[in-house]
Amino acid sequence: AQRVTQPEKLLSVFKGAPVELKCNYSYSGSPELFWYVQYSRQRLQLLLRHISRESIKGFTADLNKGETSFHLKKPFAQEEDSAMYYCALGNTGGFKTIFGAGTRLFVKA
Amino acid sequence: SAVISQKPSRDICQRGTSLTIQCQVDSQVTMMFWYRQQPGQSLTLIATANQGSEATYESGFVIDKFPISRPNLTFSTLTVSNMSPEDSSIYLCSAHGTGTMGEAFFGQGTRLTVV
Repeated sequence: AQRVTQPEKLLSVFKGAPVELKCNYSYSGSPELFWYVQYSRQRLQLLLRHISRESIKGFTADLNKGETSFHLKKPFAQEEDSAMYYCALGNTGGFKTIFGAGTRLFVKA
Repeated sequence: SAVISQKPSRDICQRGTSLTIQCQVDSQVTMMFWYRQQPGQSLTLIATANQGSEATYESGFVIDKFPISRPNLTFSTLTVSNMSPEDSSIYLCSAHGTGTMGEAFFGQGTRLTVV
């Protein structure tokens, strides 16, 4: 079964602290993984994708096929990082995107 | 990329009535998707809207309750029929842009409240 698991509904950290949002997936094929972010009063938008191996706004995510994980990391959290983050499995059968439950990140001053 | 416009942005409806949500994409896309996002929860895929054929519904969603139209490659509608308070949610339209390596683009959502 295709599934994305984000175990933390809420993650609260202090500004300047490292942050890691966990994501595990279940997919029998070759996965395409994404992190989407939704800031307050804004639409859902792509943050980064695993195939690009990019760093966006200081965030990185490494695909670990052995552990079936795609955790999102940032070494020093900023207040503007406060948002809802969704891990997603893309381009599954029929080009559907499957989303995790989401993690709300709250960065405290 | 793809820019998606969705309307209405919000509505308050009486139970038993129906609401049609419109989704316009600024470029031609093969597939469009409709999601429901209930407060504090993840996005649940309702159906995939294919141009020129019937929509494909996910488990738990049926055409009689959520009829979908897809008259061309840039437009789709979702109707929430015979509404009840349990249908109160945010409904999102989504599409994949061409050549975007699987990235999904989203409308701003329609916040529906059924009273």
